[in-house]
Amino acid sequence: DTAVSQTPKYLVTQMGNDKSIKCEQNLGHDTMYWYKQDSKKFLKIMFSYNNKELIINETVPNRFSPKSPDKAHLNLHINSLELGDSAVYFCASSQDIRTGELFFGEGSRLTVL
Amino acid sequence: AQSVTQPDIHITVSEGASLELRCNYSYGATPYLFWYVQSPGQGLQLLLKYFSGDTLVQGIKGFEAEFKRSQSSFNLRKPSVHWSDAAEYFCAVGSNYGGSQGNLIFGKGTKLSVKP
Repeated sequence: DTAVSQTPKYLVTQMGNDKSIKCEQNLGHDTMYWYKQDSKKFLKIMFSYNNKELIINETVPNRFSPKSPDKAHLNLHINSLELGDSAVYFCASSQDIRTGELFFGEGSRLTVL
Repeated sequence: AQSVTQPDIHITVSEGASLELRCNYSYGATPYLFWYVQSPGQGLQLLLKYFSGDTLVQGIKGFEAEFKRSQSSFNLRKPSVHWSDAAEYFCAVGSNYGGSQGNLIFGKGTKLSVKP
């Protein structure tokens, strides 16, 4: 069983489209995150949710909207996709928000044409 | 502000040789420190972590790291590298208080190549 799973793994789309990436964790963790990894492998946090409540919301465009229907799921919806949104998006979860020890999914590679 | 520096972008070592990957951090208090490894096309896997106590921490796959407060460093070491260790390695620092709890700041990574 995959602990943190993301779908889809690959996503190719046109500029201006709207797309979603789904994430589920079966670890029983209360906190989930979205990280963005750019073409230079730099990882930066986008959002974190603790028990369905938004905790961290870094400076990302309003076109990005996370949604957490329950504490095991954290989805990422992106409106009006731009070329610069091309990246690998990683979902992660942690048992204890104080420590930041993260368990990552395998990533979703988004390519915007 | 917190930051993490990994001075080496790419390191190549021979199989069986020892390895040290450097990491320096900037943080106002006692940090939580991590090393993660990312194999091609994969997510990040935790190698080891330091929260407190013994400054030499052991991790998976034979890795260890030493926290040196005086040098603001948390270097990763392995005595004998295997070809399967070829990957990207990320050092990270975590905040342990306030609204930034759980926000890991990552370094830019060091790519490790292993020569046969």
